[in-house]
Amino acid sequence: KAGVTQTPRYLIKTRGQQVTLSCSPISGHRSVSWYQQTPGQGLQFLFEYFSETQRNKGNFPGRFSGRQFSNSRSEMNVSTLELGDSALYLCASSLVSGVSEAFFGQGTRLTVV
Amino acid sequence: KNEVEQSPQNLTAQEGEFITINCSYSVGISALHWLQQHPGGGIVSLFMLSSGKKKHGRLIATINIQEKHSSLHITASHPRDSAVYICAVRLLGGGATNKLIFGTGTLLAVQP
Repeated sequence: KAGVTQTPRYLIKTRGQQVTLSCSPISGHRSVSWYQQTPGQGLQFLFEYFSETQRNKGNFPGRFSGRQFSNSRSEMNVSTLELGDSALYLCASSLVSGVSEAFFGQGTRLTVV
Repeated sequence: KNEVEQSPQNLTAQEGEFITINCSYSVGISALHWLQQHPGGGIVSLFMLSSGKKKHGRLIATINIQEKHSSLHITASHPRDSAVYICAVRLLGGGATNKLIFGTGTLLAVQP
């Protein structure tokens, strides 16, 4: 059974650009959550999707957005990138939010220069 | 003050030692997760607990809801256990969600 797949693994962008990250959950999982990890702030919750609907959103500016498709794949987008957006972005999938175990992807490491 | 506190922040052990990592939280929770992160970033979910104790191989996790405290124990530690261990909680009343609040992690190094 394939795990959670995040693409790309590494990305370098320039300030002001926008970026889209992708997360393919484990087959059959309908819940996808996104997290940001930085050395200063640690791991923080970004947002969560279930059956194409955003269920929860963390305390991040509107430049951070996401969506989920009918096949449960999810994308997150960051517009007008800032240096502080450099981070490891992790997604996790689970069968059902908050009840079943969450499985994490390897993450996308974004560097903004 | 962080809502989720872990101790110690750094831990060095000799192979074979019994290891304990602690997590204290100041909010009402519906579940607590223990996660393992190796260099390179990938995270593995070790346990999800809402009460009592769980065991998987050499790993044991306990939680005391009244005292708002959880511990992760590693028996017969091995160099391959070297990783960052992260405690995360799901808030009570948040419903069925994977919105988690994370501790800052414990960096464990097990020396041969």
